[in-house]
Amino acid sequence: SQKIEQNSEALNIQEGKTATLTCNYTNYSPAYLQWYRQDPGRGPVFLLLIRENEKEKRKERLKVTFDTTLKQSLFHITASQPADSATYLCALDVRSGYALNFGKGTSLLVTP
Amino acid sequence: NAGVTQTPKFQVLKTGQSMTLQCAQDMNHNSMYWYRQDPGMGLRLIYYSASEGTTDKGEVPNGYNVSRLNKREFSLRLESAAPSQTSVYFCASMAGLEETQYFGPGTRLLVL
Repeated sequence: SQKIEQNSEALNIQEGKTATLTCNYTNYSPAYLQWYRQDPGRGPVFLLLIRENEKEKRKERLKVTFDTTLKQSLFHITASQPADSATYLCALDVRSGYALNFGKGTSLLVTP
Repeated sequence: NAGVTQTPKFQVLKTGQSMTLQCAQDMNHNSMYWYRQDPGMGLRLIYYSASEGTTDKGEVPNGYNVSRLNKREFSLRLESAAPSQTSVYFCASMAGLEETQYFGPGTRLLVL
């Protein structure tokens, strides 16, 4: 069956360091992958989309990589700040075209 | 633009009662979605509507019905609520293929 795995344990890092979150998947051949941020009590907010033919995507302090051979995406936040503390979700498209399957998310805590 | 709005924000039901969760978007998006989010389970797709006039089952459709009333509105109905349906429900919309999803603020439902 299709599976999306994100680190279930919270990631604690110090302000200014780079946070790296992992999304692994099995039994998928996604055309693209997305990352979302979710704050407590709020709906997810889109951050980045990367397509299967793209190796890397950047947006300000965010960087996403996509390795279709390893079936893995890495999400990096450089120069992390306490305001980056949130849960980060990866999502893969279902080949039917319109639906997304979400991972369970990884909680990030950035301490001053 | 309000984006995606959901009503109500919070609801308490008794087992066996029915209710409809409302969702509306003002972004002229074609596709709309209903998810539930439970601790440790992540976001799970209940139903989606790829375009006005169509609806499809997601991962966990049992116990729910949906109506795509028009392009703007997509409602989720619980005919006979069960405690297992206690959850946070999110509505989302998407412009088209390989686009991002925009989420509403969520409805917190407690079934006693």
